[in-house]
Amino acid sequence: DAEITQSPRHKITETGRQVTLACHQTWNHNNMFWYRQDLGHGLRLIHYSYGVQDTNKGEVSDGYSVSRSNTEDLPLTLESAASSQTSVYFCASSEGGVAADTQYFGPGTRLTVL
Amino acid sequence: DQQVKQNSPSLSVQEGRISILNCDYTNSMFDYFLWYKKYPAEGPTFLISISSIKDKNEDGRFTVFLNKSAKHLSLHIVPSQPGDSAVYFCAASSGGSQGNLIFGKGTKLSVKP
Repeated sequence: DAEITQSPRHKITETGRQVTLACHQTWNHNNMFWYRQDLGHGLRLIHYSYGVQDTNKGEVSDGYSVSRSNTEDLPLTLESAASSQTSVYFCASSEGGVAADTQYFGPGTRLTVL
Repeated sequence: DQQVKQNSPSLSVQEGRISILNCDYTNSMFDYFLWYKKYPAEGPTFLISISSIKDKNEDGRFTVFLNKSAKHLSLHIVPSQPGDSAVYFCAASSGGSQGNLIFGKGTKLSVKP
């Protein structure tokens, strides 16, 4: 079955370190998204991509970057981790190119920055 | 400014009764609305959606109602079951957004046995 996976599921790192969170989908979806979920804020969009080599900034993109070298993967990099980036991160994908587009989410990565 | 608002952070209902979760939006360009359910330590899962050309969509125990003039939608769960206890997110998109969703902050539903 097609799916979307994230790794690692849990990560503890130190302030200032570079961290990369992986996201892999096997639906052959064009669109991929990264969100963070924090208490009182719901889901906030970090970065998104509409296809290979395409990346765009979302609502809370500062301190994060993404790259899209193939259809299946959209890794999220924290260039220099900060305590404010402690959060749960969700990757999602959608078919794209349709008016009523539904996003499907991965299981999440819980990141703690000490 | 929040474009999608879920004003009730939590809701508690008795098993077997109806759960009604509400969502308001401000952007009149939104034309597609979705509800997601999220259990702890899992990703959000798609539950039900509705296009702006409809005012109701039903799927089993779940029904979403859309009132465009009031910019309001609601999710009805009948009958509610303990397994429905989760956080429910409302989301909206517009045709020109290429699939980007704007999410509400969520409502935590607790269904008591």
